[in-house]
Parts: sequence; C-alpha cells; structure tokens
Amino acid sequence: GAGVSQSPSNKVTEKGKDVELRCDPISGHTALYWYRQSLGQGLEFLIYFQGNSAPDKSGLPSDRFSAERTGGSVSTLTIQRTQQEDSAVYLCASSLDRPLVAPDNEQFFGPGTRLTVL
Amino acid sequence: AQRVTQPEKLLSVFKGAPVELKCNYSYSGSPELFWYVQYSRQRLQLLLRHISRESIKGFTADLNKGETSFHLKKPFAQEEDSAMYYCASQGAQKLVFGQGTRLTINP
Repeated sequence: GAGVSQSPSNKVTEKGKDVELRCDPISGHTALYWYRQSLGQGLEFLIYFQGNSAPDKSGLPSDRFSAERTGGSVSTLTIQRTQQEDSAVYLCASSLDRPLVAPDNEQFFGPGTRLTVL
Repeated sequence: AQRVTQPEKLLSVFKGAPVELKCNYSYSGSPELFWYVQYSRQRLQLLLRHISRESIKGFTADLNKGETSFHLKKPFAQEEDSAMYYCASQGAQKLVFGQGTRLTINP
C-alpha cells in the first residue's frame, strides 16, 4: 500500500510569507508526528496528534507555527511570517501508535518537504 | 521527562572496523527503544527495536537498564552503513528521538 506522502517536496518562499505543508499519513494510522530536520541539528519534534486527543504542541518553536489534522487523517503544518531560520526539511510520520505493542508503534516517515526561506 | 542522548554528532571509522554508536535514555519506567536510520536520499526508516532482539544488516543493540544505554554495534563496518542514525525511546506517550549520529565509513 501507499506510504506517508508529503507535499510539496520543495518549497522556496520569501521571508515574511506564510507557507502550508501537507502530510497524508498511512490509512488507519491514528498517530501523526511533525518533525524538523535542520543541517547539523538532528531531528526536532514539533507536534504530535493521537486520535481525538488534544495535540501535543510542546515542540512548536514559536506561535508562528501551527498544525491541524482534519478528520483524523490529513495534516497541515502552517508557518506564518516565515524567517530564514525556518529553512529546513519538515518530516511527517505516522504510526498505529499503541505503545509497547510492537510492531504497532513503528513510525513510518514521509519523504519530507524541503523549505527554503530567502 | 523522557530524554534520549546521542553524544557523538559525527563518527568516522574504516571499513572492516567495529562500530559502536552510543545512546543513553532517561525514563523512569520501562521504555521501548529503537534505532532509526536514514541513508542518503532515502526516507528515515526503522532499523531495529530492542523488544525484537534481532540483528539487522549485522547491527545489534543491547538494552542495559543499569546504565540506561542502548548502544548500536556492528563488528565489521561496511561502506553502505554510512548514514544518519537516530536512537529513539517510547514510554507511555510519544516517541522521543536523540539528535542523531552521522556515521561515515571510510574505504
């Protein structure tokens, strides 16, 4: 079946513009994560959705970042008034996310969206 | 709070030499631990999990609860092992990743 997909694959924008990044998780996966991968910075957790629970937004770096997940499926990460330091690869992952119930908690990653803010 | 530490950002070894990528975790309960790998121009993917006690591509990782470590090891490195490696821990809530180690295998 299809894996996690993300769009666009590349996005170049000007400083101050808003951008929207989309993630389509694997069908039936209840958990969805957004991460940011910067050169030399590793994998930075941004936000976590699990079923109908309130999302864990503890990783969002500022109030310019927000995300929503509609109908428990597709998710959109929005960055308002982009800054050059927002340039990075944004990764989405999904899982069945039943902790300690292997293999259901394996995360499947999308290919990422490379964001460049000029 | 759950935390995963990978002390080495970069690790370079010669082909055929042993490899050990370090990972330490902090969690009061009994987490499940993973290693994820990202090869050049590929997606991040699961390499192995401690609960399976498996060896994947010659890699193994042993959970040491006393030292709260989950180091990844391979006795003889190969050039195709060059990649970015992330250790991750999952307790009762979300999966937490370390900062990653970039492994380079020199010919």
